[in-house]
Amino acid sequence: AQSVTQLGSHVSVSEGALVLLRCNYSSSVPPYLFWYVQYPNQGLQLLLKYTTGATLVKGINGFEAEFKKSETSFHLTKPSAHMSDAAEYFCAVSGGETSYDKVIFGPGTSLSVIP
Amino acid sequence: ETGVTQSPTHLIKTRGQQVTLRCSSQSGHNTVSWYQQALGQGPQFIFQYYREEENGRGNFPPRFSGLQFPNYSSELNVNALELDDSALYLCASSRPDGTGTTEAFFGQGTRLTVV
Repeated sequence: AQSVTQLGSHVSVSEGALVLLRCNYSSSVPPYLFWYVQYPNQGLQLLLKYTTGATLVKGINGFEAEFKKSETSFHLTKPSAHMSDAAEYFCAVSGGETSYDKVIFGPGTSLSVIP
Repeated sequence: ETGVTQSPTHLIKTRGQQVTLRCSSQSGHNTVSWYQQALGQGPQFIFQYYREEENGRGNFPPRFSGLQFPNYSSELNVNALELDDSALYLCASSRPDGTGTTEAFFGQGTRLTVV
């Protein structure tokens, strides 16, 4: 069955440092890929998505992610962390081995930013 | 174009009670999916409704049921509430376009607390 794994349930970075959140998916067919952010007591906000075309995707708040088919990865990066980036981040897939409107989420990575 | 709206935003129920959560789909969308996000976890697929019929179900017991109305809005009903039903319930809408490549758009969720 199609699945998503996120390496590291908690990641801490210093303010101004590089943010790298890892995501791998299992699917025999390249799916759509998403990163969502969730702030405390709030719903999901779409950061960025990959559907087709350019494999480097730029999102909101300075985040970007690169789809690497050979590695079945979609890691999220940001060159310089800001205090406001502290939140829960979810990688998700749709399509591939399942329908495109059914989303499968990873377990999430909690990002802490240290001043 | 209106987005996906959910009501209520917060709800407190007693164990054993029944609850109904509501979702209005994005304009033009005829498919609604429901997800449960327990504390500290990623959202889990509950079920999906397409043209008023259930169109796929996740690993949830029958006391989780739903409805979709002719205007494509939807309800999630949970009977015999248990403490573990406390979670954020997310609704997502989509419109399959025949190519199978549409994506889902999420509402902000309903926070259910069972005491």
